[in-house]
Amino acid sequence: QVQLVESGGGVVQPGRSLRLSCAASGFTFSNYAMHWVRQAPGKGLQWVAVTSYDGDNKYYADSVKGRFTISRDNSKNTVYLQLNSLRPEDTAVYYCAKAPTQSQRGYFDYWGQGTLVTVSS
Amino acid sequence: EIVLTQSPGTLSLSPGERATLSCRASQSVSSNYLAWYQQKPGQAPRLLISGASSRATGIPDRFSGSGSGTDFTLTISGLEPEDFAVYYCQHYDSSPLTFGGGTKVEIK
Repeated sequence: QVQLVESGGGVVQPGRSLRLSCAASGFTFSNYAMHWVRQAPGKGLQWVAVTSYDGDNKYYADSVKGRFTISRDNSKNTVYLQLNSLRPEDTAVYYCAKAPTQSQRGYFDYWGQGTLVTVSS
Repeated sequence: EIVLTQSPGTLSLSPGERATLSCRASQSVSSNYLAWYQQKPGQAPRLLISGASSRATGIPDRFSGSGSGTDFTLTISGLEPEDFAVYYCQHYDSSPLTFGGGTKVEIK
């Protein structure tokens, strides 16, 4: 069965960095695009970033462009999100989510349990 | 950017009743590239519907999706206790992918 397990969240000061990881299992990881989606406390869902199945193409929400970097290691079945120059408004649960195909433009058929990032001084 | 507006914000219903949730897009969503998710407190979202009307694996047939263009609907034909949750629509027509603000279905 498909499993996505995020890690790396925590409390960090504004302006600092954090790297999130998402370990995948139960499917052929290298065949699918992977996304990060976040949810601020008590708020709705916001798409953050996507990487193509081979890592060659990456797209970001405008709110994180230039500060966040998505990457993947297909040999480790893991997708990452590097969060730099963090702001209080980046406080959220960060979910990794699997795409149903290789395409970066799609919906999310499986989700991890999420990891909480809190940006506060 | 396609903006999705969900209504109502909250739906108060009793078990067994029919729930009708609306998702309206600011521009036409081509090829019905619209999905619906269910989220319960403390849990990750779960995919219910893709392609506006195709149920995901394991989703009961009391959940159905319909619509096209700018107007989409999620219908729950008879609410079960486990269906009380927040529901989100999401388009995947173009970048950026966006979600609606959600509809909370609560017990009346």
